[in-house]
Amino acid sequence: SAVISQKPSRDICQRGTSLTIQCQVDSQVTMMFWYRQQPGQSLTLIATANQGSEATYESGFVIDKFPISRPNLTFSTLTVSNMSPEDSSIYLCSVGGLTEAFFGQGTRLTVV
Amino acid sequence: GDSVTQMEGPVTLSEEAFLTINCTYTATGYPSLFWYVQYPGEGLQLLLKATKADDKGSNKGFEATYRKETTSFHLEKGSVQVSDSAVYFCALNNAGNMLTFGGGTRLMVKP
Repeated sequence: SAVISQKPSRDICQRGTSLTIQCQVDSQVTMMFWYRQQPGQSLTLIATANQGSEATYESGFVIDKFPISRPNLTFSTLTVSNMSPEDSSIYLCSVGGLTEAFFGQGTRLTVV
Repeated sequence: GDSVTQMEGPVTLSEEAFLTINCTYTATGYPSLFWYVQYPGEGLQLLLKATKADDKGSNKGFEATYRKETTSFHLEKGSVQVSDSAVYFCALNNAGNMLTFGGGTRLMVKP
């Protein structure tokens, strides 16, 4: 199993600003995943973060808007840049393999 | 690509009623199937899983059977409680490390 600490747990931000979300795992993992959950919606994968290489982004997500860092095998950050109210969502990091995935508690972001 | 379809909610039941939340999937190969639960204000928790055809996952009175012939993984519980009120997500993992989620089904159980 894996325990994931994600912070902040929630934030209210002004439009046009940026927020960096941190994700710490209690064990070394090769891949970390960032998801977005818009209000009342399911989870959508933003990108996959591998240590030592650039993140791989899913269709509809770009690095300029959601830059990701992965400096080591236990840590990653996701930045939501130049925020607008449409970015108000829950952002979750995840690790795991074929038989189980583990999630952080999420960051509830409200952009005003 | 892979996809998961689950019944739309909200599903409203009285306490002790029988619950079924339908989930079907489209995937090549032999994916692993999962149900995750999200209680109000909390993150996702794994509820149960099945990794091969005919496997039955079970936890906390919930069950789901991996039916390859019907590409389904329906969630059932014989007697729901108010504390089961949450959003339930069906998901699959197909030979990778990322999950594909269904749209989620909100369950509301009334006393």
